[in-house]
Amino acid sequence: SQKIEQNSEALNIQEGKTATLTCNYTNYSPAYLQWYRQDPGRGPVFLLLIRENEKEKRKERLKVTFDTTLKQSLFHITASQPADSATYLCALDRATDSWGKLQFGAGTQVVVTP
Amino acid sequence: NAGVTQTPKFRILKIGQSMTLQCTQDMNHNYMYWYRQDPGMGLKLIYYSVGAGITDKGEVPNGYNVSRSTTEDFPLRLELAAPSQTSVYFCASIGLVHNEQFFGPGTRLTVL
Repeated sequence: SQKIEQNSEALNIQEGKTATLTCNYTNYSPAYLQWYRQDPGRGPVFLLLIRENEKEKRKERLKVTFDTTLKQSLFHITASQPADSATYLCALDRATDSWGKLQFGAGTQVVVTP
Repeated sequence: NAGVTQTPKFRILKIGQSMTLQCTQDMNHNYMYWYRQDPGMGLKLIYYSVGAGITDKGEVPNGYNVSRSTTEDFPLRLELAAPSQTSVYFCASIGLVHNEQFFGPGTRLTVL
């Protein structure tokens, strides 16, 4: 079965720096890979989606890359702010029999200090 | 739009009790999902539905049941609660134009 690995250790970063998170997966390549933000006690919130034929996607200060050869996605937060402190989840969608059946990584906590 | 709403927010059950977790969305989405999230683990798919009257199992369906009589509602039923079902449960829906999932606020369930 698919195994999804995200850094389990929290990423502590200074305000203004770029945070880079990794998401590695085994086995099949997903049709879509998504990144979500989750704050304590709340549900995940969608951030970005990248398709298997796309290399890079940007949204404001966020950037996602997708390397199907390495089976890896990188998620970047540029000019990080304390408000970016949260747990970030990557999720894979194989989109075979039915799309939207996401498989999630355990998430990486980001702590941005002023 | 309220988005995806879930009730209750918290619940404590005794072993063997049953309950229904409610989920409602007002975005007219056809696809809906139930996930559970255990500490330090990724969300795992329990059941999903592609439209009213159609449901199917996800990765971890044992001990749960669902129904989908309307587009808006997708309740999750626990028949005989077990300590292994202690978790946070999230309901989500997805539109047909974009693939992003909209999650509810979650229900924290403890089985003692």
